[in-house]
Amino acid sequence: GAVVSQHPSWVICKSGTSVKIECRSLDFQATTMFWYRQFPKQSLMLMATSNEGSKATYEQGVEKDKFLINHASLTLSTLTVTSAHPEDSSFYICSAEPGTGAYNEQFFGPGTRLTVL
Amino acid sequence: KQEVTQIPAALSVPEGENLVLNCSFTDSAIYNLQWFRQDPGKGLTSLLLIQSSQREQTSGRLNASLDKSSGRSTLYIAASQPGDSATYLCAVGGSNYKLTFGKGTLLTVNP
Repeated sequence: GAVVSQHPSWVICKSGTSVKIECRSLDFQATTMFWYRQFPKQSLMLMATSNEGSKATYEQGVEKDKFLINHASLTLSTLTVTSAHPEDSSFYICSAEPGTGAYNEQFFGPGTRLTVL
Repeated sequence: KQEVTQIPAALSVPEGENLVLNCSFTDSAIYNLQWFRQDPGKGLTSLLLIQSSQREQTSGRLNASLDKSSGRSTLYIAASQPGDSATYLCAVGGSNYKLTFGKGTLLTVNP
C-alpha cells in the first residue's frame, strides 16, 4: 500500500516549452501533496505544498507563475514547468500525505528527470 | 528556519562492518524524523520513521534513534552489505507536514 507514481519518469524538452509532470497516489487519497526539486549532489528542496481543491503554497524563492501546480483530485497533482530553461533541469519528486491518523507520513514518487536543452 | 546537517558526507566501509550515520537539526520542535535511502537517479525509499514521542525505531539491520532535546538522530546499520550502498537522507517533519532534508550521506560498502 501507499504507492505514489510519477509520469513521465524522464523528459527532454527544448528551451521555452512547457512540461507537465503528474503525481498520483495509487491506493490512497492524498489530502496534501508536495513537490520537491533536487539538483545534482544536493538534497531535496521543497518547492510547494498543494491541497486538493485549493491553491498551492509556494516556498520562498519559487516562482508560482513558472511552476504551476494543480491538485484537481485527491489522487492527482500536476506540476507544469512553463517556458522551461536549462537552469530548470533537475530531478522533480512528489510526495503524498494521506491525512489520516496522528502521524503525517509522506510517501514519495520515483521522481521525474527533466532535461531542458 | 529548520536546518538539517548530516555527517559524514561520505563513508566507505568494508562489508560486514557496523556503522553509524549522524543527523542533527537546529529546531527541536519537530513532529517526526524519517530516514530515507536514495539510489542514484532514483526516488526515495523510506527506511524508518520516528515520531517525536519515540526514541528509536528498528527494522531488520537498521536502528534509528532520536534525541529531540539535543537535536540529534543516528542511523545504525549492522553487518553492512554491498547492497546497502546508497545515499541516506535524514528528514525532519515540522509544522504543516513539511519535511526538511539534510544533504545526505553517501555510503559505499566494499565487498
